[in-house]
Amino acid sequence: NAGVTQTPKFQVLKTGQSMTLQCAQDMNHNSMYWYRQDPGMGLRLIYYSASEGTTDKGEVPNGYNVSRLNKREFSLRLESAAPSQTSVYFCASRGYGGDTEAFFGQGTRLTVV
Amino acid sequence: GQQVMQIPQYQHVQEGEDFTTYCNSSTTLSNIQWYKQRPGGHPVFLIQLVKSGEVKKQKRLTFQFGEAKKNSSLHITATQTTDVGTYFCAGRDSNYQLIWGAGTKLIIKP
Repeated sequence: NAGVTQTPKFQVLKTGQSMTLQCAQDMNHNSMYWYRQDPGMGLRLIYYSASEGTTDKGEVPNGYNVSRLNKREFSLRLESAAPSQTSVYFCASRGYGGDTEAFFGQGTRLTVV
Repeated sequence: GQQVMQIPQYQHVQEGEDFTTYCNSSTTLSNIQWYKQRPGGHPVFLIQLVKSGEVKKQKRLTFQFGEAKKNSSLHITATQTTDVGTYFCAGRDSNYQLIWGAGTKLIIKP
């Protein structure tokens, strides 16, 4: 079982460049999430998708866009990267209902110079 | 909005000492989950508590959920080097979303 797969694992961008982080899960989960984690800090929710076809803003959505391409895939796009977006990005998924655990991808370590 | 406060931010212990992290919510939680993140890794689910006053054990780890379902704790007895990492709590809100604590980083002193 692959679980949650994120690509790429590492990325260096120049300020102003754009990129898309890819995430796919093979657990037939309804909900998918994008978090960022800055050094020594907790997880901050960027965007989430409660089900296929819906997306909602989280705590820190500015500078990001998302697409729930289908039930399996949820991508995060940075249109014009800024140094403040240097972080580790995690994709996660959860099954239906309120008592399900979150499964995380391995993370993408993004540096914007 | 709903918040989950987690303390302490860091805890340094000698190997063999105990470790405890606490989570407190501003509102009643439906349930609370605990996760562990190893250095350089991703959060991994440990356990979920649902009932008021619930206590669960996993070997040297003891998890408690408060009677009012507003607080929770994780206690590790006799820490080992394999326990190093950051421990997160996450409470479920009324919209079925997880509200995350900021995490407690466990550091084992050499």
